[in-house]
Amino acid sequence: GEDVEQSLFLSVREGDSSVINCTYTDSSSTYLYWYKQEPGAGLQLLTYIFSNMDMKQDQRLTVLLNKKDKHLSLRIADTQTGDSAIYFCAEKGSSGSARQLTFGSGTQLTVLP
Amino acid sequence: DAGVIQSPRHEVTEMGQEVTLRCKPISGHNSLFWYRQTMMRGLELLIYFNNNVPIDDSGMPEDRFSAKMPNASFSTLKIQPSEPRDSAVYFCASNRDGNTEAFFGQGTRLTVV
Repeated sequence: GEDVEQSLFLSVREGDSSVINCTYTDSSSTYLYWYKQEPGAGLQLLTYIFSNMDMKQDQRLTVLLNKKDKHLSLRIADTQTGDSAIYFCAEKGSSGSARQLTFGSGTQLTVLP
Repeated sequence: DAGVIQSPRHEVTEMGQEVTLRCKPISGHNSLFWYRQTMMRGLELLIYFNNNVPIDDSGMPEDRFSAKMPNASFSTLKIQPSEPRDSAVYFCASNRDGNTEAFFGQGTRLTVV
């Protein structure tokens, strides 16, 4: 079945850029997502990219998609302490029972002062 | 809209007891998902419904787990009997066919002692 993998932890200093990486296996993915989970809360959609795009920028966030290598990344510029959270990569296939999103295990981002 | 509503927010129960988790999806959404989140396994899809019908329950860990969706505005996830290893945060999410985003509830933190 589909698989999405991420590293579990990332620490950066406040003001630096953070880059969270993700790989996936489903070549029929139509949308790829980044969700953010703050402590004690549910997941909230941060941004998404359609599979025919290779980059999307939204203020401090930049999403890069390498469809050939099935690699997705999220770059957060000027990382702040409020960005500390778990970031989930997810992908959505194109047909059948792939209506559900397949999530990675999440990357815990810690922003150090 | 109030978003996806889950209850209770926290549940502590003794091993062997029955536990029922509840979810009210966003009005108009026709897909509903139950996820479990643990430190060891990350976010796992347990089951999803489309138009109140279970489509994929391959993620349900064992027969002790069951889920129902008697109507479009309500779903339950039941564990009977509960075990300490069921301790986790259980999330419900919903979306509408054709939409890209799944909306998550705040989760139910279950502790089985």
